Amino acid sequence: AQSVTQLDSHVSVSEGTPVLLRCNYSSSYSPSLFWYVQHPNKGLQLLLKYTSAATLVKGINGFEAEFKKSETSFHLTKPSAHMSDAAEYFCVVSLIQGAQKLVFGQGTRLTINP
Amino acid sequence: GEEVAQTPKHLVRGEGQKAKLYCAPIKGHSYVFWYQQVLKNEFKFLISFQNENVFDETGMPKERFSAKCLPNSPCSLEIQATKLEDSAVYFCASSPRDRGSYEQYFGPGTRLTVT
Repeated sequence: AQSVTQLDSHVSVSEGTPVLLRCNYSSSYSPSLFWYVQHPNKGLQLLLKYTSAATLVKGINGFEAEFKKSETSFHLTKPSAHMSDAAEYFCVVSLIQGAQKLVFGQGTRLTINP
Repeated sequence: GEEVAQTPKHLVRGEGQKAKLYCAPIKGHSYVFWYQQVLKNEFKFLISFQNENVFDETGMPKERFSAKCLPNSPCSLEIQATKLEDSAVYFCASSPRDRGSYEQYFGPGTRLTVT
């Protein structure tokens, strides 16, 4: 079975400073890992994905994440936060084989201070 | 189309009434998924389809929920005799499953309110 733990329910940073959203996963098999972002009253947008290729994954809007098997982590980072980054972020795991259901973390609310 | 479309955007039903939600996946995508988002941050998988065939229905409360994906029609999720606890946002997602690509693209959701 797969599971995801997002270590922070809320992260607050100042505009222009780095962002770190932490995610640990548990999976019996090789996982696919994703980060999705949800702006208020909107759907989910895929930020980036890991599917067993390069361990450092680059996504949209300057976000990237690093897959660390030894630490079972997939933390999301961005060098410089922008006001438009304020949203809810979900770390998601799935089996790597086939189109399997997604298992979501609890979400991290990112607040950007001016 | 290039985006997953869901209708309606909002749906209000009295307890015990039927609710029917629709989803048009991205053209060319083989897989369709339904998820329920309750309490803002809790996502629950309901069911998935490979074309018109049920792929995984382990999350479906079968006594009141049903879903279909028929050829040349939007997929649908139907809830018979809605309960207050069914109030949630229901998301549909589709996946291409080609070249090893299994990411899911989500629609904007349907907010169901049961009163």
